[in-house]
Amino acid sequence: GNSVTQMEGPVTLSEEAFLTINCTYTATGYPSLFWYVQYPGEGLQLLLKATKADDKGSNKGFEATYRKETTSFHLEKGSVQVSDSAVYFCALSEMDSSYKLIFGSGTRLLVRP
Amino acid sequence: DGGITQSPKYLFRKEGQNVTLSCEQNLNHDAMYWYRQDPGQGLRLIYYSQIVNDFQKGDIAEGYSVSREKKESFPLTVTSAQKNPTAFYLCASREAQGLFSPLHFGNGTRLTVT
Repeated sequence: GNSVTQMEGPVTLSEEAFLTINCTYTATGYPSLFWYVQYPGEGLQLLLKATKADDKGSNKGFEATYRKETTSFHLEKGSVQVSDSAVYFCALSEMDSSYKLIFGSGTRLLVRP
Repeated sequence: DGGITQSPKYLFRKEGQNVTLSCEQNLNHDAMYWYRQDPGQGLRLIYYSQIVNDFQKGDIAEGYSVSREKKESFPLTVTSAQKNPTAFYLCASREAQGLFSPLHFGNGTRLTVT
């Protein structure tokens, strides 16, 4: 079945460092891909999405490019802030009639001042 | 403002009791979902509903039940048959079915069963 694999955390960075969180997927066809962010004690918020190969999703300085050839959707940010500390989830949309989202296990990011 | 409301935020129950978690949305979304989140793990789908009066089992439906009598509401009952009910429960909704439509989440209910 379809699946999403994320790099294990926690990822600890200093403020203004460059961020990469790896995400790879296994799926038939061409699913849509998403990154969600979860702040402590809250639900998930959509961060960005990409719906076809070579699409780049971007929001709040975060970017991710849908790479069909490597089945990847890595999350990047050029300069992280303390306020970016959260858990980040990669997800894909199932290709059947349910259109369910399949989530990775999440990667915790901790940014130190 | 439109959104998804889950209540209560924290819920405590004794083992052997059924408990119902509330989820209400005013986004006029057709599809609604219940996910379970355990520490250090991703989200696992419990049940989902694409239309009123219809719902489907997700990956971990055993020990749970749902109803969808109104478009706005999708309550989840955690029954005594659920072996390990302590978890963070997230409700979500979606504007329309389709690959491109993202989920909107509530702020979750943390259930503790002792």
